[in-house]
Amino acid sequence: AQSVTQLGSHVSVSEGALVLLRCNYSSSVPPYLFWYVQYPNQGLQLLLKYTSAATLVKGINGFEAEFKKSETSFHLTKPSAHMSDAAEYFCAVSDSSGYSTLTFGKGTMLLVSP
Amino acid sequence: DGGITQSPKYLFRKEGQNVTLSCEQNLNHDAMYWYRQDPGQGLRLIYYSQIVNDFQKGDIAEGYSVSREKKESFPLTVTSAQKNPTAFYLCASSNQDANTGELFFGEGSRLTVL
Repeated sequence: AQSVTQLGSHVSVSEGALVLLRCNYSSSVPPYLFWYVQYPNQGLQLLLKYTSAATLVKGINGFEAEFKKSETSFHLTKPSAHMSDAAEYFCAVSDSSGYSTLTFGKGTMLLVSP
Repeated sequence: DGGITQSPKYLFRKEGQNVTLSCEQNLNHDAMYWYRQDPGQGLRLIYYSQIVNDFQKGDIAEGYSVSREKKESFPLTVTSAQKNPTAFYLCASSNQDANTGELFFGEGSRLTVL
């Protein structure tokens, strides 16, 4: 069984500040890990994914995440927040067979103030 | 352009009525999925299909039905047995051959029961 925990349903930052969204996972096999972003009334868009290559993964819009097996974490960061980053972010896990379904966290809403 | 098309975007239903949400993809993906999204609950899997004429129940299948007669299409019927159908519904697809579990999402259908 696999699961995902996202700490904080809402995170507020000022424009230009560091963004840190936390994700911890549980998986009995080597995981694949994903971060998705959702803008209001839209579907989800892939930000980045970890599939057992480099542990530091770079994604779109300046986001990156680091896979830390010892901490079972996959936190999402961005050095400098922009107003356009305001959205809901979802962490997800699947097992490395690629044939399992994704399990999503409950999401973290990122609020960016000027 | 390849992608996933969901329709309608907004739908209103009276209690006791069945409604069908459409999902069509032209990505040539084998697998298709339906998720339900409620505020603060993340995405929950309703049904998924990894091949034509076959589908599996997800975590919250009660009150829903699906069919997969064509590779491109995976319609979801919300039946009158679904006790709380008001939600945002997301369809997704994936390429199982890629073996990464990445999902591609449609823009969603918002169902409101009056």
